[in-house]
Amino acid sequence: GENVEQHPSTLSVQEGDSAVIKCTYSDSASNYFPWYKQELGKGPQLIIDIRSNVGEKKDQRIAVTLNKTAKHFSLHITETQPEDSAVYFCAPSNGPGGSYIPTFGRGTSLIVHP
Amino acid sequence: EAQVTQNPRYLITVTGKKLTVTCSQNMNHEYMSWYRQDPGLGLRQIYYSMNVEVTDKGDVPEGYKVSRKEKRNFPLILESPSPNQTSLYFCASKGTGDQPQHFGDGTRLSIL
Repeated sequence: GENVEQHPSTLSVQEGDSAVIKCTYSDSASNYFPWYKQELGKGPQLIIDIRSNVGEKKDQRIAVTLNKTAKHFSLHITETQPEDSAVYFCAPSNGPGGSYIPTFGRGTSLIVHP
Repeated sequence: EAQVTQNPRYLITVTGKKLTVTCSQNMNHEYMSWYRQDPGLGLRQIYYSMNVEVTDKGDVPEGYKVSRKEKRNFPLILESPSPNQTSLYFCASKGTGDQPQHFGDGTRLSIL
């Protein structure tokens, strides 16, 4: 099955700094790459995703970059704010021809200090 | 409003007393899944269902059962709960293909 690793497991930044979280996967057939944000007391929610035919996608302060050759994709958050503090998960999956079943990384706890 | 609803949100019970956590989605999604979340271990998949009457084991299925008699519902059953099943549980659903998952708000189970 897919092996997914996220780094770092914890990331502490000052408000206004940038944060980068990296997700490495093993299945070369993976072609859908989402990032989820989990706030305290809630379930994870999609914040951005990218598909394999695109190298980068941006939505205001967040962006995702994909390197299919090296089998990793990264979440970039610029101008961090205290409300960005949460746990972030990557969850690559494969398809068509594959199962479309996502495999979650272990999560990165982002702490933004005011 | 599109949502995944889990009940109960919190439950404290004792070893061996059968319990069911319900999950319902209103988005007509084919795929549904159960996860447990434990500190340092992230989200681990218990069972998933690709459609009605089709269920498969995830990474940690031992001690759990599921059923998918209707498209919208996917209950998680603990026939004889044990303390090592104390955890935070999430139900999720998604449409076919490369689609994001929609999660419920979680059920915190404590088995004494």
